[in-house]
Amino acid sequence: DQQVKQNSPSLSVQEGRISILNCDYTNSMFDYFLWYKKYPAEGPTFLISISSIKDKNEDGRFTVFLNKSAKHLSLHIVPSQPGDSAVYFCAAHPDNYGQNFVFGPGTRLSVLP
Amino acid sequence: DAGVTQSPTHLIKTRGQQVTLRCSPISGHKSVSWYQQVLGQGPQFIFQYYEKEERGRGNFPDRFSARQFPNYSSELNVNALLLGDSALYLCASTHREDPWGEQFFGPGTRLTVL
Repeated sequence: DQQVKQNSPSLSVQEGRISILNCDYTNSMFDYFLWYKKYPAEGPTFLISISSIKDKNEDGRFTVFLNKSAKHLSLHIVPSQPGDSAVYFCAAHPDNYGQNFVFGPGTRLSVLP
Repeated sequence: DAGVTQSPTHLIKTRGQQVTLRCSPISGHKSVSWYQQVLGQGPQFIFQYYEKEERGRGNFPDRFSARQFPNYSSELNVNALLLGDSALYLCASTHREDPWGEQFFGPGTRLTVL
């Protein structure tokens, strides 16, 4: 029972274009969301977060959009760079102190030069 | 400043054996969480510790246990290993007492159970 879904296992984008990574969740108790990036042989690295009281958060080339009614969030990377090639994980946190983040299965992004 | 460190990097065990994985958090971080990442899936939460107390537990059997030491380092123990325990085990630390917010991950320990 996957509570956080990333339905695209992989995505290829040309350098300089926009990358859009999608994430859907099923648990309406999730109130905080993060995106992590993971390179091979390294641990995940935090990218950007968004609280459920917002619908958009921007940090440089990275923007996260949250649509609570659709239980959907997306990560936009503009412009995409070859160094962005990595696996991207969407993670969600329930409004419950005893729990921790629930991660999606990840999307492998390849930015082609 | 050093990031989160984990040891060993790789480990090979046989079914039924026991394993101990170690994690040192970023200096000043008092919270440590453990995750299991099976190939092709995202990390799955196992435990969170803060100030040596267990603050959260994921849906894992009692074969999995952990503890946190006074210097905030942590150990994850897995008894009676099964083939399905083969995974990358990630440790993450944060300065926060609550489980929200950014967590800093180590590179992981790759456990192979034969």
